[in-house]
Amino acid sequence: DIQMTQSPSSVSASVGDRVTITCRASQGLSTWLVWYQQKPGKAPKLLIYAASSLQSGVPSRFSGSGSGTDFTLTISSLQPEDFATYYCQQANSFPPTFGQGTKLEIK
Amino acid sequence: QVQLVESGGGVVQTGRSLRLSCAASGFTFSSYGMHWVRQAPGKGLEWVAVISYDGSEIYYADSVKGRFTISRDNSKNTLYLQMSSLRAEDTAVYYCAKDPSGSGDFYFYMDVWGKGTTVTVSS
Repeated sequence: DIQMTQSPSSVSASVGDRVTITCRASQGLSTWLVWYQQKPGKAPKLLIYAASSLQSGVPSRFSGSGSGTDFTLTISSLQPEDFATYYCQQANSFPPTFGQGTKLEIK
Repeated sequence: QVQLVESGGGVVQTGRSLRLSCAASGFTFSSYGMHWVRQAPGKGLEWVAVISYDGSEIYYADSVKGRFTISRDNSKNTLYLQMSSLRAEDTAVYYCAKDPSGSGDFYFYMDVWGKGTTVTVSS
């Protein structure tokens, strides 16, 4: 199975900050990488697919980049509703696997 | 709007069985692959199983293979997960989710999620 490693595991930031979360795969994924946002007690929500394509309805302050084994999710200017846990997931090979999550907290 | 609603969760004893359901609406259910994904309390996401649009292709995570069965009834727009020989480590919120590929293939990610149903396996 492909192992997905996110860093950091948690990060504290303020409204208006720029935040970057990294995801590294144990094997090359091309651009078969997606990002989800999950708020406490809620289902995950798809933010980014194909490494850099914004899902419909997702604010443009979210962006993704990368290919191969190294990927990033960037939030350009944090809003109060962005404080949540973020997961990457590889969709390149079976079985699909998730990173361990990055908890974004208010500073 | 596109909606997935899970049901069937509850508290069950170790070794017993449980069947989860997921009612779909707002899209052509019979055209899309569907997944089950679970999340143990305080833990991350774990993919469980996927079924193709017509039920002809099915894949499972090793952790549930031989114990869980995914199925679908396209006439009822409903996805199922039959869980047997349940273990404590199966305790989780179970989400059903839609695969975005409508072409008969899988993309192996999820663009629409239900709110989840909680399964607690207790001795």
